[in-house]
Amino acid sequence: KAGVTQTPRYLIKTRGQQVTLSCSPISGHRSVSWYQQTPGQGLQFLFEYFSETQRNKGNFPGRFSGRQFSNSRSEMNVSTLELGDSALYLCASSLTPDRGSSPLHFGNGTRLTVT
Amino acid sequence: QQPVQSPQAVILREGEDAVINCSSSKALYSVHWYRQKHGEAPVFLMILLKGGEQKGHEKISASFNEKKQQSSLYLTASQLSYSGTYFCGTETSNTGKLIFGQGTTLQVKP
Repeated sequence: KAGVTQTPRYLIKTRGQQVTLSCSPISGHRSVSWYQQTPGQGLQFLFEYFSETQRNKGNFPGRFSGRQFSNSRSEMNVSTLELGDSALYLCASSLTPDRGSSPLHFGNGTRLTVT
Repeated sequence: QQPVQSPQAVILREGEDAVINCSSSKALYSVHWYRQKHGEAPVFLMILLKGGEQKGHEKISASFNEKKQQSSLYLTASQLSYSGTYFCGTETSNTGKLIFGQGTTLQVKP
C-alpha cells in the first residue's frame, strides 16, 4: 500500500508570494491533518479535514488555508509568504478522525524556504 | 494547550532504559506516541485512551495516568535503532485535534 504522498518535496519562494502544497493520503484514509514543523516550535497543528470539511483549526493566521477534495486528497495554501513561514510542512492521513483509535500516518513533508 | 515533554534530551548506552514523560494541564482523552528519525517522517508507536493503563510490547511500552494527566513512554534495553526524537500528541475530549509536545531527543550510543 502506498504511503502518504506530498508534493513538491522542496520549494523556494520569495516573500509576498503564495504557495500551494499537495497531499495524497493512503488509499481508504478519509481524514487529513496538516502540521508545520520547525526546530524551535516543534510540530504545530494547522488544520484537519474529513469528508471535505474542516473539523479543526490551529492558531495560525488566515493566510494559511486548506481544503479537501472528494477523493480525500488535500491541499494547503499560504498567501503573502513571510520569512517565518519557512518550515517543513507535514501532512498526515488516518482512516477516521477518531484519534482514540486511528493513528496518524505522516508523509515525508514539503520543505518550504522563503527568501 | 501544548503538552510538556521531559526530558528534552537523553543520551543512553545500548542496553540502558529510558523514560519519557508527557504532561498536560488539561484533561486528556487520548495520548499518541511517535518517533521521528532525522530526515524522516514521524512514525506511530502507540495510542493510549482515557481509562486505559498501559500498552506496548516488551521493549517499548507506555502508561497513561488519568489523575495526573500524564503519559510516560518506557524504553527498555535500548537499541541503536531507538535513536530519534519522540513526540507525544494529546487530544482533549474527543475532538480529533492532536497537539504535539516539543519532542524528546534520544541518542543511543554503542
